[in-house]
Amino acid sequence: EDQVTQSPEALRLQEGESSSLNCSYTVSGLRGLFWYRQDPGKGPEFLFTLYSAGEEKEKERLKATLTKKESFLHITAPKPEDSATYLCAVQAAGNSGYSTLTFGKGTMLLVSP
Amino acid sequence: DAGVIQSPRHEVTEMGQEVTLRCKPISGHNSLFWYRQTMMRGLELLIYFNNNVPIDDSGMPEDRFSAKMPNASFSTLKIQPSEPRDSAVYFCASNRGEGQGHYGYTFGSGTRLTVV
Repeated sequence: EDQVTQSPEALRLQEGESSSLNCSYTVSGLRGLFWYRQDPGKGPEFLFTLYSAGEEKEKERLKATLTKKESFLHITAPKPEDSATYLCAVQAAGNSGYSTLTFGKGTMLLVSP
Repeated sequence: DAGVIQSPRHEVTEMGQEVTLRCKPISGHNSLFWYRQTMMRGLELLIYFNNNVPIDDSGMPEDRFSAKMPNASFSTLKIQPSEPRDSAVYFCASNRGEGQGHYGYTFGSGTRLTVV
């Protein structure tokens, strides 16, 4: 069974204080690892997909990295508008040709001015 | 593009009543997903359609839950009878289908269901 564990559950940062969120996963053949951002009262919004160990993707103050067992979402000099819940999900290489996303429970990030 | 559209946004119902949630996926997306989100369990996949055909419904909790996709632009999730433990936010998401997974899923804004 595919499993995704995110840590910490919640993180409070001061504006400009860089940090990292962790996503550990176990999957039978990784097809892709996804990061999403979710604001209160809204659906998750797609950020990145990573496919293989060593791959990195960047978007503004966010950078996602991937190893064979975990992914990190690095937040550099965060701003209050980066406050949200960040979700990690994995997609397995399904034998049937179909596969879906398994999500972690997320990290709730609060950035104070 | 209007994105994935869900209705209603909020639903409060009494235990035992029938509840129907609705979803309109993005035009051209041929995969549709229903997820349920709670604080305790996070986002859980309920059912997955590809080209209007249910592919995986192993996440549907029990026979009280049913989902249909009569055409490419509409899907429903029905709970009958509803119970307080069904209270959650239900999300619909769509995707261009296999081979296009790197775009991820596009989620709707969700339906917050409260069963009293």
